[in-house]
Amino acid sequence: GQSLEQPSEVTAVEGAIVQINCTYQTSGFYGLSWYQQHDGGAPTFLSYNGLDGLEETGRFSSFLSRSDSYGYLLLQELQMKDSASYFCAVRRRSYKLIFGSGTRLLVRP
Amino acid sequence: DTAVSQTPKYLVTQMGNDKSIKCEQNLGHDTMYWYKQDSKKFLKIMFSYNNKELIINETVPNRFSPKSPDKAHLNLHINSLELGDSAVYFCASSLTPGGAEETQYFGPGTRLLVL
Repeated sequence: GQSLEQPSEVTAVEGAIVQINCTYQTSGFYGLSWYQQHDGGAPTFLSYNGLDGLEETGRFSSFLSRSDSYGYLLLQELQMKDSASYFCAVRRRSYKLIFGSGTRLLVRP
Repeated sequence: DTAVSQTPKYLVTQMGNDKSIKCEQNLGHDTMYWYKQDSKKFLKIMFSYNNKELIINETVPNRFSPKSPDKAHLNLHINSLELGDSAVYFCASSLTPGGAEETQYFGPGTRLLVL
C-alpha cells in the first residue's frame, strides 16, 4: 500500500518561518514534490526532491531524506499571500503522482 | 495565453444525467491527466494519457470514460451521474509521463455539483 501523512493545519505569523512535514510509505519511490493550492484555485508546482538534501527556491525550500521516508517544505519570511493549502506528492515509477491530504497554512498578521 | 484550460468551469446537473468536461493544453506536452478533488481537498489521480494512449487507469467507476482525440486534448465523459460525483475535477499536463522531476501543470478545475 501507500500512504502520505502531513499535518492538516498550521498557523503562523507574517514574517515567521514555518515547516510543513510529510512522511510517506510507498513502493517504487522516485521523488517528492510540493504543490500549493489557494482556495478556489488550481494546484501549482513549488518544488521537487529526487535526491536527499535541501532544494532552495527563493523563500521556499524543500528537504528529502529517503532513508527516513520523510520530507518537509520550509517557508521563510511568511507573507499573507502564502495562506493556502500545501500538498506533498510522491512520484512513483509507475508514472503516478500520489498526493497527500494537504496542509492548510493560515498566516496571521 | 492559458496553458491548461478546462470547460466548463462550473457544472450543475441532475442525478442520472450524462455530462462531459473538456481539457486543452497549449504547452506542447505529451501527457495529460484527470484528477478528482473531493470536499476534503483530497486530490486523486483518475486517468492519464501519453500521446493519446491510456497509461494510468485508476479504480474509477466505468461510468467515467476519458477520450484523447489528440495529445493536446483530454476530455472526460461521465454517464449516469451520482451525488458522490460532486467534486472539483482538474485536468493537468506534463512534458512526459515519467521524467525525473516532471512538473504537472493544472487547469483551473471544473466544479461539478450533482443534485
